[in-house]
Amino acid sequence: AQKVTQAQTEISVVEKEDVTLDCVYETRDTTYYLFWYKQPPSGELVFLIRRNSFDEQNEISGRYSWNFQKSTSSFNFTITASQVVDSAVYFCALSLNNQGGKLIFGQGTELSVKP
Amino acid sequence: GAVVSQHPSRVICKSGTSVKIECRSLDFQATTMFWYRQFPKQSLMLMATSNEGSKATYEQGVEKDKFLINHASLTLSTLTVTSAHPEDSSFYICSAREGIGYGYTFGSGTRLTVV
Repeated sequence: AQKVTQAQTEISVVEKEDVTLDCVYETRDTTYYLFWYKQPPSGELVFLIRRNSFDEQNEISGRYSWNFQKSTSSFNFTITASQVVDSAVYFCALSLNNQGGKLIFGQGTELSVKP
Repeated sequence: GAVVSQHPSRVICKSGTSVKIECRSLDFQATTMFWYRQFPKQSLMLMATSNEGSKATYEQGVEKDKFLINHASLTLSTLTVTSAHPEDSSFYICSAREGIGYGYTFGSGTRLTVV
């Protein structure tokens, strides 16, 4: 079965702190994609990153970085020097081509960054 | 970049009436569209996957006679909630994809309230 687990339901940090959001996935497929999305209070989903299963390189984009480790089936997301505007719900998701490409979402982590 | 327009953004309807939600891909042809439902403080749950010109594939537990999905063209999919009841009140989000290997573009969502 395919599954995405985000064990952290809520995280609260103070501005400028670094924070890591955990994501663990389950699949027996060798070809898959992993995603992170941000959902601000407005509800719209904001795409952050897509990773395919054959690319384990870590990625950095500004204050955001992602650590993909197939050995532990994890795809963690770190925000460095967090800001109040980072407050949102963050979703990790998995897609499999042999399942019609549907996205399977984790439960989401609500991040609150306080000034 | 790819844009998906979803309308209406908010709708209030009376119990027993039907509501139609539209999802349009504005600058690409969406061979596949997905419909999600999200209850407050919860994750996105896939309701159905639709391919242009074919019948939608519904996820287990989703009533196909209640949630009618039509994907008659490569740029338009509609979700009709028939005989809506208060428990159908939720946030509905569509997503479109040009094909396998492409990313997912999400609409801005529709907040449905049934009174």
